[in-house]
Amino acid sequence: AQSVTQPDIHITVSEGASLELRCNYSYGATPYLFWYVQSPGQGLQLLLKYFSGDTLVQGIKGFEAEFKRSQSSFNLRKPSVHWSDAAEYFCAVGDGGYQKVTFGTGTKLQVIP
Amino acid sequence: GAGVSQSPRYKVAKRGQDVALRCDPISGHVSLFWYQQALGQGPEFLTYFQNEAQLDKSGLPSDRFFAERPEGSVSTLKIQRTQQEDSAVYLCASSTDSASYNEQFFGPGTRLTVL
Repeated sequence: AQSVTQPDIHITVSEGASLELRCNYSYGATPYLFWYVQSPGQGLQLLLKYFSGDTLVQGIKGFEAEFKRSQSSFNLRKPSVHWSDAAEYFCAVGDGGYQKVTFGTGTKLQVIP
Repeated sequence: GAGVSQSPRYKVAKRGQDVALRCDPISGHVSLFWYQQALGQGPEFLTYFQNEAQLDKSGLPSDRFFAERPEGSVSTLKIQRTQQEDSAVYLCASSTDSASYNEQFFGPGTRLTVL
């Protein structure tokens, strides 16, 4: 069965600093990978997704992620964090079927001035 | 345009009560999903509809959970004889179709608290 591990439960970064959130997945074939963001009281919003092709994926809000098959990773990055980026971030993997996805446990991002 | 809406946003139930949670997907979206998100966890898949057909209910935790989408639009998740372990946020998501890997659009969720 597919699974996702987000090893960092909570991360604190200073505004303007760079950010990397880790995600490791387990899936037998080529995975469908996603990053979602959840702000308090808001629904989950898709930041970016990877299906195939270029392993560096650009998303909304200045985020990018890199798929590394050899490391089974799909880490999320942002060069300069803004205070509004404080939220919880979820990595997810799909099985290529009808869009059923498995989510990780999330990483809560705190941004300090 | 309107996104996915869910009602009620908050629900408090006494243990043993039945509850019904409603999801209004984006108009025209074929696929509809229900997820359960416990405190401090990621969303966990409950069930999937393609139009009115429930194609996967493998994530429903017990036979107390029942979902329907009779006309292929609005969906209701019903929980009978609620238990404390049912306390969670219930998320609904919809997508344009199931033929390809499209984005799922999530509603704000219904926070269920069972006392």
